[in-house]
Formats: sequence, structure tokens, C-alpha cells
Amino acid sequence: DVKVTQSSRYLVKRTGEKVFLECVQDMDHENMFWYRQDPGLGLRLIYFSYDVKMKEKGDIPEGYSVSREKKERFSLILESASTNQTSMYLCASSPQGGQGQPQHFGDGTRLSIL
Amino acid sequence: KNEVEQSPQNLTAQEGEFITINCSYSVGISALHWLQQHPGGGIVSLFMLSSGKKKHGRLIATINIQEKHSSLHITASHPRDSAVYICAVKETSGSRLTFGEGTQLTVNP
Repeated sequence: DVKVTQSSRYLVKRTGEKVFLECVQDMDHENMFWYRQDPGLGLRLIYFSYDVKMKEKGDIPEGYSVSREKKERFSLILESASTNQTSMYLCASSPQGGQGQPQHFGDGTRLSIL
Repeated sequence: KNEVEQSPQNLTAQEGEFITINCSYSVGISALHWLQQHPGGGIVSLFMLSSGKKKHGRLIATINIQEKHSSLHITASHPRDSAVYICAVKETSGSRLTFGEGTQLTVNP
């Protein structure tokens, strides 16, 4: 069965810290995505990756970076965490190509920045 | 105006009722997804469709490409159906999804 695993369900960090959110998928998918979800705003795309070492900015990349050194792992990095980055973060993956391949989501990481 | 709009934002129903959630979009798409998110955060893909109608158990999804509209129906609703239902479209080019804000459904016993 398809599995997308996010390293933490809940995380509390302090303003200014460098924060790493990890996502691993076991389906050999080419595409991986990082979203944040906020009340009233829905899911918004932060970054995505089509392949190893490739990355593309989504709609709200400011304050974030990503790393994809291996196909199965996609990391989201908050370079200097701020309180407005308190949110639910969701990782997803999908196979490349085809029309409308479904994205498979992880369980999410609820991040609080104090 | 959002590219994907859902209605209603919130819906409360009694167990057994027939439920409809609507999704309208303004862009050209290759597919539309209906997703379910339970409290706690995990998102599950319910349907992916590009035309016509799909059925899975008590859930039915329809899409009208010409009208740029999709509906998700739940027959004989049950409290365990309580969740946020999210519509997302895959635009004609690329792998990105554009999401609606979601519909919070509460089914009371």
C-alpha cells in the first residue's frame, strides 16, 4: 500500500530556529510536494520537486527552502522560523506523467513557532 | 476570486440524509480530485475524475466539464462521514493541484 511518512505529527520550535520537516515516500514517485494548510486559506503549495535535485517554487516559497537528495525523501527547511509559519504542513507525492495521477498525502505536521 | 470554489463552507446534517457538496472552477483542467480530511490532518484521495460520474460505496462524484462544475454526493450519511471535503483541480499543464478551501461536514446521530 502507498505510504507517505512525515517525521513528526507535532513540533514546537522557537522564533529564529532552523527547522527541518522530513517526508519519505515508498512508492518510487517522481513528484513530491510540500503544502501548508491554514484556516480559511485551504492548502497552498510551497515547493515541489519533479526529480532528485530538482525543485520548483510553488505559490508561497518565501521563508522556505527544500532539499531532494534522494528520490524517496523531500525535506522542507524553515531557514529562520517566524510565528507566521505556525501552520499544518502536508507532504504529498505522485507518479510522473499521465493525466491526473492522484497525489498521496502524509498525515501532516502541526508546527508551532513560539 | 479563487480558481476553485466550494460550497457550502460548512454543512451540518442528520444521520441518513443525502448530502451534496459543490465545486466550481475557472481554469482548464485535465482532472478533478475529491479529497477527505479527518480531524488529525491526514488526507485521503476519494475520487479522481475527468468526465462523467464515479461511485464508491455511498459516495458519488460527478463532473460537468462544459459547466466547470463537480459535485460530491453522500447517500445515507453517517457520523463517521464527518470530515473536511476538499476539491482540487489539476490544470491542463503540469503536475500541480489547485485546491478549494474545503467543506466542513458534520453528521449528527
